[in-house]
Amino acid sequence: DAGVIQSPRHEVTEMGQEVTLRCKPISGHNSLFWYRQTMMRGLELLIYFNNNVPIDDSGMPEDRFSAKMPNASFSTLKIQPSEPRDSAVYFCASSFLDSSTDTQYFGPGTRLTVL
Amino acid sequence: RKEVEQDPGPFNVPEGATVAFNCTYSNSASQSFFWYRQDCRKEPKLLMSVYSSGNEDGRFTAQLNRASQYISLLIRDSKLSDSATYLCVVTGGYNKLIFGAGTRLAVHP
Repeated sequence: DAGVIQSPRHEVTEMGQEVTLRCKPISGHNSLFWYRQTMMRGLELLIYFNNNVPIDDSGMPEDRFSAKMPNASFSTLKIQPSEPRDSAVYFCASSFLDSSTDTQYFGPGTRLTVL
Repeated sequence: RKEVEQDPGPFNVPEGATVAFNCTYSNSASQSFFWYRQDCRKEPKLLMSVYSSGNEDGRFTAQLNRASQYISLLIRDSKLSDSATYLCVVTGGYNKLIFGAGTRLAVHP
């Protein structure tokens, strides 16, 4: 079975440019999560969706960040305009939320470098 | 204070050694607890869930002490392939996971 798919795997861009990260969750999963990982701050939850609806976006750093989930098989995380401090690895994860399990499965991540 | 605290390490141990990692969490309402493993430049992967009664999976044993808000992971007979960062994880409500910063383990020949 295919796991969580993220694209691109690497992105290098210049400050001020728009960046769009993409995620395809595992088929059948109803929850999707966007995380950011840096050496300084570790792994931080940015936003998560349940049944395509944003549930908690309290981790989104600022208005430059936005996330959408137009359907159950696709989500985007957009940064506009990007800044050097946005450089990090961005992970998408998905899970099937029910009463018995909440294991999250992570994608391979997108390594973003903003120059 | 961080919600989940771990010793960052690194723990440098020889093959065959037994090594233990500890973790404390601040939210007494947390319901679920996990250890994830993350290899260098890879994504985190679930290693095992942690139950109040303690649980074992091969060479790995996890323990939870709710009263002390403390979680542990014991690895017996360390292998070179165990070298990774081990992330302590607790739930923060409605399927939300809170990750510790991780403990690095390096197993050498």
